[in-house]
Amino acid sequence: AQTVTQSQPEMSVQEAETVTLSCTYDTSESDYYLFWYKQPPSRQMILVIRQEAYKQQNATENRFSVNFQKAAKSFSLKISDSQLGDAAMYFCAYRSAREGYGGSQGNLIFGKGTKLSVKP
Amino acid sequence: EPEVTQTPSHQVTQMGQEVILRCVPISNHLYFYWYRQILGQKVEFLVSFYNNEISEKSEIFDDQFSVERPDGSNFTLKIRSTKLEDSAMYFCASRSRRGSGAGKTQYFGPGTRLLVL
Repeated sequence: AQTVTQSQPEMSVQEAETVTLSCTYDTSESDYYLFWYKQPPSRQMILVIRQEAYKQQNATENRFSVNFQKAAKSFSLKISDSQLGDAAMYFCAYRSAREGYGGSQGNLIFGKGTKLSVKP
Repeated sequence: EPEVTQTPSHQVTQMGQEVILRCVPISNHLYFYWYRQILGQKVEFLVSFYNNEISEKSEIFDDQFSVERPDGSNFTLKIRSTKLEDSAMYFCASRSRRGSGAGKTQYFGPGTRLLVL
C-alpha cells in the first residue's frame, strides 16, 4: 500500500522569505500523481500544485514550485516570497495513475500535514 | 469559476441519529469522492463513485455509510446511525474525465463539520 510522510509537523517562515516543506512517499508503482493542497483556517482544501510522475520537469505555479525526486520518492514544496496569506496547513497527497475496472478510481492518499506560520 | 459546494456547513446531531451530507460536484465532472478529517488528523479517503456506483471504498466506509446520486447534480453521504467517532470534517471532491490534465485533479468542497453528541 502507498504511504505519504510529512516529517515536519510545523514550520515557520518570515514574510518575503523562502520555505521548503518536505514530503516523501512509498509506492511500488511507476506512474502516479503528486499534489500539494493548502488548508487555511476555514478548512477548505485548495489545490496548490500538481506533478505527474512521468514528467521530469518540476511543476511551478507562480511562487510555488516543487522538487520532485522520483528515485528518492521525495516531493518537496518551495514557497518563495512568503506572504501572510500562505499561513495554513499543507498536505502532500499521492494518487495512483491506474484507473478503470480493477484499478483505483483515483482516491488520494494524504500525509499528516505541515502547519506553516508566516511571521510579519 | 465552477466549484464544489456542500451543505450544511455545520451539523450537530445526537448519537444514533441518521445524517445526510450533501454535495453538488462541478457540473461536468464524472468522478466523485468523500473524505473525512478528524480534528487534528490527516484527511482519509472514504469512497469513490463513478457511473452511478461505488468504485472503491476504504475500510472506514462500513455498512453505516452509504452514498447516492439521487439526481443529476447532488451527491450525498448518509450515515445511518451516527457514533461519537464520526465527528469530523467531511469533504466532497470531484474530478472530470480521465486522460486530461485537469482530470487528474480533485477539486474539494468547503466541507461539512459534523459533531456527534
